[in-house]
Amino acid sequence: DQQVKQNSPSLSVQEGRISILNCDYTNSMFDYFLWYKKYPAEGPTFLISISSIKDKNEDGRFTVFLNKSAKHLSLHIVPSQPGDSAVYFCAASGFLMNYGGSQGNLIFGKGTKLSVKP
Amino acid sequence: DGGITQSPKYLFRKEGQNVTLSCEQNLNHDAMYWYRQDPGQGLRLIYYSQIVNDFQKGDIAEGYSVSREKKESFPLTVTSAQKNPTAFYLCASSIGQGRNTEAFFGQGTRLTVV
Repeated sequence: DQQVKQNSPSLSVQEGRISILNCDYTNSMFDYFLWYKKYPAEGPTFLISISSIKDKNEDGRFTVFLNKSAKHLSLHIVPSQPGDSAVYFCAASGFLMNYGGSQGNLIFGKGTKLSVKP
Repeated sequence: DGGITQSPKYLFRKEGQNVTLSCEQNLNHDAMYWYRQDPGQGLRLIYYSQIVNDFQKGDIAEGYSVSREKKESFPLTVTSAQKNPTAFYLCASSIGQGRNTEAFFGQGTRLTVV
């Protein structure tokens, strides 16, 4: 049962335009959400996060929006650059009882491959 | 330089052999994690450890074992009981202590079983 879902396996965007990557979650105990960027054969690198007490967090070209009622978050990249081409993973954490109540374990979606074309 | 180091980057083993993947961090993090990545599957949690001398099973622990004898080290053993061990393995660490923070990942180990 997937708790974090990224329903678009891939996304192609023109350089300079906006990239919007979407993520849905099912577990209402999640209270912290993150986006990671990953290149092939490398470890993921942290991009941006948001706590459930906020609905928006911005860092340079990257903005994450959280809609708790819809259990949905999105990552906006503006403007998109060719170097942004990578796989983007959405992750969530919280007090998850099926992990012994530990907080901090990140549950990942399957990723969305973003291609930014020059 | 603080960071998390996985070794080796590539590993080949014969079917039926146990193999141990190394993960070391000098970030003074309490929590450490092992994930497995397969094509189209995202990252799936194998084991996690919130503190030294304690570790818990994640979603796909069968066929794997870990130890956490030191804060800095969290080795993962892929045993012969793991039915499909060929994958990309990622180790991560975070501050832990019950706090929601980002995890930092190593560069990964690509294990191929032939």
